[in-house]
This record gives sequence, structure tokens and C-alpha cells, in this order.
Amino acid sequence: GEDVEQSLFLSVREGDSSVINCTYTDSSSTYLYWYKQEPGAGLQLLTYIFSNMDMKQDQRLTVLLNKKDKHLSLRIADTQTGDSAIYFCAERGGFETTDSWGKLQFGAGTQVVVTP
Amino acid sequence: DTAVSQTPKYLVTQMGNDKSIKCEQNLGHDTMYWYKQDSKKFLKIMFSYNNKELIINETVPNRFSPKSPDKAHLNLHINSLELGDSAVYFCASSQPSGNEQFFGPGTRLTVL
Repeated sequence: GEDVEQSLFLSVREGDSSVINCTYTDSSSTYLYWYKQEPGAGLQLLTYIFSNMDMKQDQRLTVLLNKKDKHLSLRIADTQTGDSAIYFCAERGGFETTDSWGKLQFGAGTQVVVTP
Repeated sequence: DTAVSQTPKYLVTQMGNDKSIKCEQNLGHDTMYWYKQDSKKFLKIMFSYNNKELIINETVPNRFSPKSPDKAHLNLHINSLELGDSAVYFCASSQPSGNEQFFGPGTRLTVL
């Protein structure tokens, strides 16, 4: 998506932490999401953060949001080979208007490769 | 148990044919969506329906016609298929009052 940008590739060693970055442009975004897509599979919702929060932690996942810079990151602790996938950042509009109506605007995805 | 399901998973067809993809959700959500993922993995919204009514149509060619017979179903019919329609099509659902949007497993459409 032209309004959401991500780096395209990340290589990380098993056991290290991964950090995937994302920038967005729509200041009216209410929620920001991280989805995981494994090869040939659908989109798995990993986590999301409300736009008035700075941080959210969920087991090995930590989401950081810098609203001023419109920067979102996903940190995966103790990265495993099963974490190899494409990770999509997405921003969601509200349901106040029919222009947005909860639609997700996605980044191009970050391919994460975990090496032993 | 599947929250959002789609059929078929794979669809291979000739140019010019008409085909349909079906989507069903058992989450009780009011809003359903169709997204298209192209060969570069780029995902873009096509349609959004709320309570069987069309809300968003993101400048999709009118060869694509979504139909929502009830709140739990949103089908996608495509007329006169073109090579450029080859993609993975994802159905999703959410609740306007909720935060989560769940996706189906996708339908890989290949037009020859």
C-alpha cells in the first residue's frame, strides 16, 4: 500500500530477536495490526494495537507505536524457524464513514527468514 | 470450527469464463470483505459489505460482482475472466464494534 511502508526482507538467526518496522501516513488510523502469512497459507492475525497506546506485549511479541512519527514495530523474542514467514503491517480506518468502514490498508510485507 | 472459510481453494480456468468464489463466516460478524493479493504479495481491499449491504467498492471493474445472500456469506462472482485477474482472493470478516478482522484461507485463481 502506498500509505504503509515496510522493509522487504529480514534475516535473523534462531534464538535472536527480530524487529520488523513499519511506517504509516493516515493519522486518523484507529488500530494498527500485524498479520503473519506462511507460504501458501492465509493471513493469521498476530496482534494489534490501539492508536492511543505506546506498547503492547503478548508472549514473545512486543508492539511499539510512535504516533508522532507514525512508526510501528514488531519485536519477536527468541525467534524460531517456525517464525519464518511474511509479516504484514496494516492500518485500519474507523467505521464512521463509508470511505473507510474498517478496511485494512496493508504494507507490502516483510519476508522474515530464520536461519539455524 | 473454521471461522472464515472459502471455496474453492484453487481455481484454474480459461480466459473469458465466468467463475464464483464462496465465503462463509461463523463468527456472527456483520461486516465482510474481499481482498486481492497479487503475485508480489501486495494486498488490497476490493469490497466491504455490512449487514448484506455494499459499503466499499474500491474501483473494482464491474466484471466483479459480490453478492451477500445473508450476513454470514459473501460470494464473489467474476465475469469474462482476464489474465490479470490471476491472484489470491481473501475473504475476511469483522464486527464494527470489534477490533479484530479475521481472514479466510484464500482462493488461488489462475486464468490461462
